[in-house]
Amino acid sequence: AQRVTQPEKLLSVFKGAPVELKCNYSYSGSPELFWYVQYSRQRLQLLLRHISRESIKGFTADLNKGETSFHLKKPFAQEEDSAMYYCALSVSTNDYKLSFGAGTTVTVRA
Amino acid sequence: ETGVTQSPTHLIKTRGQQVTLRCSSQSGHNTVSWYQQALGQGPQFIFQYYREEENGRGNFPPRFSGLQFPNYSSELNVNALELDDSALYLCASSRTLLAHEQFFGPGTRLTVL
Repeated sequence: AQRVTQPEKLLSVFKGAPVELKCNYSYSGSPELFWYVQYSRQRLQLLLRHISRESIKGFTADLNKGETSFHLKKPFAQEEDSAMYYCALSVSTNDYKLSFGAGTTVTVRA
Repeated sequence: ETGVTQSPTHLIKTRGQQVTLRCSSQSGHNTVSWYQQALGQGPQFIFQYYREEENGRGNFPPRFSGLQFPNYSSELNVNALELDDSALYLCASSRTLLAHEQFFGPGTRLTVL
């Protein structure tokens, strides 16, 4: 069975500093990976998807199949980046039944 | 465009009771997935419905059941409630089965005493 691990429960960085959220997964096939974000008092929403290879709100994430990782990075954190971030995996692109990690709470301090 | 709505917002039940949670999918969406989120954990997939048919379920016992209606709204039913069923239940809809982006509702907080 697939599994997603986010080793950091909490991450605190200063504004303008780089931030990296770690995500490791276990799955023998070729999964599709996502980052979802939940801002304070808002709903869980999609941040980015590995296939699109886009930069969303300054965030990027590269799928490393050798290390089975999908770390989320931003070179200069902003206060509005403070949120809960979840890494998620789907083993199929015919339907999307997501397996989520436990999440990382990011606090960006002024 | 109306987003995903869920009702009720909060619910308190006692062990052994039955509960029904409701979800209205976003306009134009025909696929609904349900997730259970225990405190301090990420959402865990319960099951998915596509055009009124169940399209797979996660590792949950049969006392967790669901329905999807012709208007694509959905219900999650849990029988014989246990204390461990206390959690936030999230509903997410997507435009279709092949659409990767899921749009989440605000959740229903269930407390089992």
